[in-house]
Amino acid sequence: DGGITQSPKYLFRKEGQNVTLSCEQNLNHDAMYWYRQDPGQGLRLIYYSQIVNDFQKGDIAEGYSVSREKKESFPLTVTSAQKNPTAFYLCASRGTGGIGNQPQHFGDGTRLSIL
Amino acid sequence: AQKITQTQPGMFVQEKEAVTLDCTYDTSDQSYGLFWYKQPSSGEMIFLIYQGSYDEQNATEGRYSLNFQKARKSANLVISASQLGDSAMYFCAMREAYNQGGKLIFGQGTELSVKP
Repeated sequence: DGGITQSPKYLFRKEGQNVTLSCEQNLNHDAMYWYRQDPGQGLRLIYYSQIVNDFQKGDIAEGYSVSREKKESFPLTVTSAQKNPTAFYLCASRGTGGIGNQPQHFGDGTRLSIL
Repeated sequence: AQKITQTQPGMFVQEKEAVTLDCTYDTSDQSYGLFWYKQPSSGEMIFLIYQGSYDEQNATEGRYSLNFQKARKSANLVISASQLGDSAMYFCAMREAYNQGGKLIFGQGTELSVKP
């Protein structure tokens, strides 16, 4: 089945450590997104990419980095510069054809905690 | 700046009754889209329904309908015949048609609890 796969489901980070969250999609979507969700809050955009080898910062990009070397993959690295990384991270993708009503499709998320 | 407001942190509804979840938005663009998503306790975001700013009729998808009042900038979600499985967080989101990358702006969400 087509969809978005995020791994791992749970991740723990030590102080000063970088960790990478995986996001893979087989929907042939051009656009991909990373969101952060804190408890009881809505989603906030970290980074997004409209095409391979190109990406833009969202509203809360500080302390995060991404790459988009393949259409299917959009990994997110939470760097040691992100002082409060504990959150739920959601990856999404979206097709870019048509009239603009395509929804974003989401993965199941990764819960990141600090040890 | 564009903004989405969901003023109901939590709502209760009796099983089989209808419930309305409120969403107001703020944008200076004439062309935009409004989305509703459901987030069960497991965490995944499930797309429910879409309304375009130029759509003349309110969107409907099964038990979900959208009460779109453009002049009031509101896009309330109506769930008819509530089921226990409808208990979840519900998020309203907006995408301006010309924003780069199709970014969505989300509201804070409403937690819906369906009582048997």
